[in-house]
Amino acid sequence: KQEVTQIPAALSVPEGENLVLNCSFTDSAIYNLQWFRQDPGKGLTSLLLIQSSQREQTSGRLNASLDKSSGRSTLYIAASQPGDSATYLCAVRLRGDYKLSFGAGTTVTVRA
Amino acid sequence: GAVVSQHPSRVICKSGTSVKIECRSLDFQATTMFWYRQFPKQSLMLMATSNEGSKATYEQGVEKDKFLINHASLTLSTLTVTSAHPEDSSFYICSAYGQTETEAFFGQGTRLTVV
Repeated sequence: KQEVTQIPAALSVPEGENLVLNCSFTDSAIYNLQWFRQDPGKGLTSLLLIQSSQREQTSGRLNASLDKSSGRSTLYIAASQPGDSATYLCAVRLRGDYKLSFGAGTTVTVRA
Repeated sequence: GAVVSQHPSRVICKSGTSVKIECRSLDFQATTMFWYRQFPKQSLMLMATSNEGSKATYEQGVEKDKFLINHASLTLSTLTVTSAHPEDSSFYICSAYGQTETEAFFGQGTRLTVV
């Protein structure tokens, strides 16, 4: 069974600082990995998707890396803004499966 | 990206009544949709996989008679919480893969409160 862990559980930084969010998973036979953002009481917004054959993906200030062999992904958010305050979830999909296994998330607070 | 719409966003019901939550794929067809439950400060837990035109597949420990799932068309799946109790109060979210069946998209979620 795929176990997904996100560290830290919470993070508070001043505006402008770069954010580093970590996700680790136990089964490296993945199909892809997705990073999501969740605002309080809301659904999930897809941020980045990394296929198993890729090492990283970038979108604006966001960059996600993937190291399958070590079972890790890192989400970098450059020059954080108060609007980046949210919970960030990573989800892993195994090869041959449609199910996603989620981490518990990292709750980010960016202080103005 | 694909759009998944979920309705209602929040609902309050009395113990013993049933509540139906709808999940629609707005700009694509979804033969498979997924229903999750999320407890406060916890991760999403998959409840069931909804298959168009056939029975849903439930995860271990999920009562299929309590959480009825119907996927009658390629754009609509419904979750009915039957005989709701306060312990069923939670945040329910649906998802579907877009047309490439690679990236998952989620609805806005439904906050269910049973009083």
